[in-house]
Amino acid sequence: NAGVTQTPKFHILKTGQSMTLQCAQDMNHGYMSWYRQDPGMGLRLIYYSAAAGTTDKEVPNGYNVSRLNTEDFPLRLVSAAPSQTSVYLCASSPAYPPGTLEAFFGQGTRLTVV
Amino acid sequence: EDQVTQSPEALRLQEGESSSLNCSYTVSGLRGLFWYRQDPGKGPEFLFTLYSAGEEKEKERLKATLTKKESFLHITAPKPEDSATYLCAVLGTGYALNFGKGTSLLVTP
Repeated sequence: NAGVTQTPKFHILKTGQSMTLQCAQDMNHGYMSWYRQDPGMGLRLIYYSAAAGTTDKEVPNGYNVSRLNTEDFPLRLVSAAPSQTSVYLCASSPAYPPGTLEAFFGQGTRLTVV
Repeated sequence: EDQVTQSPEALRLQEGESSSLNCSYTVSGLRGLFWYRQDPGKGPEFLFTLYSAGEEKEKERLKATLTKKESFLHITAPKPEDSATYLCAVLGTGYALNFGKGTSLLVTP
């Protein structure tokens, strides 16, 4: 059972470039989310999706998300900025009760924007 | 706004020296308090969920407790392999976990 898989593990991006961070889960979880983790800041939520085909929160500037199916939850950085340098963590959990059960995390993508 | 504060930021223990990590929180409508362990270069790994004050859960050398304002993660006779960052998170009325900054634990032989 693979759980939550994130790719790539590491990436260096130039300012202004775009890229998509991939996240896939094989546990049939309805709820998926993206966090970023910065030194001394803890994990901060970027976006979540409660179910496939739904978008439930205003997407922060500089990011784009989609949830076309249950398994995949890609996060796109649109015109990357150095402030987006971070470790990005994807998580999934059973849909009901929403988010109250344990969240499974991927290994993270360490992204550097230069 | 939900707030989670963990203390201490860092803790160094000798092997076998028991101690506790603290997680203080303010949240409207607590639906769950979560403890995670995170090793360097890895994603957080789930340890416990606590739902109501007075609840306790144990796993090997770890025991988590919950009151109306804080949670403690007690580590009994720790071993070097318990070295990691321990994260506390709360779920209130929203749909996402609100994390503290973590406690970095180092257990030396």
